Amino acid sequence: KAGVTQTPRYLIKTRGQQVTLSCSPISGHRSVSWYQQTPGQGLQFLFEYFSETQRNKGNFPGRFSGRQFSNSRSEMNVSTLELGDSALYLCASSLQPIGGSYNEQFFGPGTRLTVL
Amino acid sequence: DQQVKQNSPSLSVQEGRISILNCDYTNSMFDYFLWYKKYPAEGPTFLISISSIKDKNEDGRFTVFLNKSAKHLSLHIVPSQPGDSAVYFCAASDGGATNKLIFGTGTLLAVQP
Repeated sequence: KAGVTQTPRYLIKTRGQQVTLSCSPISGHRSVSWYQQTPGQGLQFLFEYFSETQRNKGNFPGRFSGRQFSNSRSEMNVSTLELGDSALYLCASSLQPIGGSYNEQFFGPGTRLTVL
Repeated sequence: DQQVKQNSPSLSVQEGRISILNCDYTNSMFDYFLWYKKYPAEGPTFLISISSIKDKNEDGRFTVFLNKSAKHLSLHIVPSQPGDSAVYFCAASDGGATNKLIFGTGTLLAVQP
């Protein structure tokens, strides 16, 4: 079974630009979550999508947005890039969330974004 | 406000000895805890988990202990191997219809041959 794939793997942008990152979950997984990893901050939750609906959102400014398509693939977008947005962006897929039960999340390799 | 804390940024252990990685949390609503392992240029991989109704879970060389009264959990690796060298993240979930995880900042484990 293919794992979670993320494209592109590396990206360099300049301040003020926007960027779109893509994530393809494991086949059959309908829940996709995004995390930002920066040195000293660990992984911080950005948002979670299930069945094309955003179910949860982390404490990030409105410049960060995402969406999920009917085939469960997801994209996240960052507009008006700032230097502090340089980070590793990780996507994780899992089975649908069920109240009271945790489903293991499988992470992709991430997209390394550098903002100059 | 960091709800999950890993106060040791790094740990060095000799091969064959025990590695103990610690994690503290502040939110008493967390009901599930996980440890992830991460190598450079790869995404985190799931290692072991524990429900809040248990105080210990074991899987091969890996054991996680949970002390709810102290809001503390630890991961024991015995015996440690050079291939265990990686960053270890502690994470917590508050349940409900969500897969959102709150992660600690990670501990870099170096196992010396």
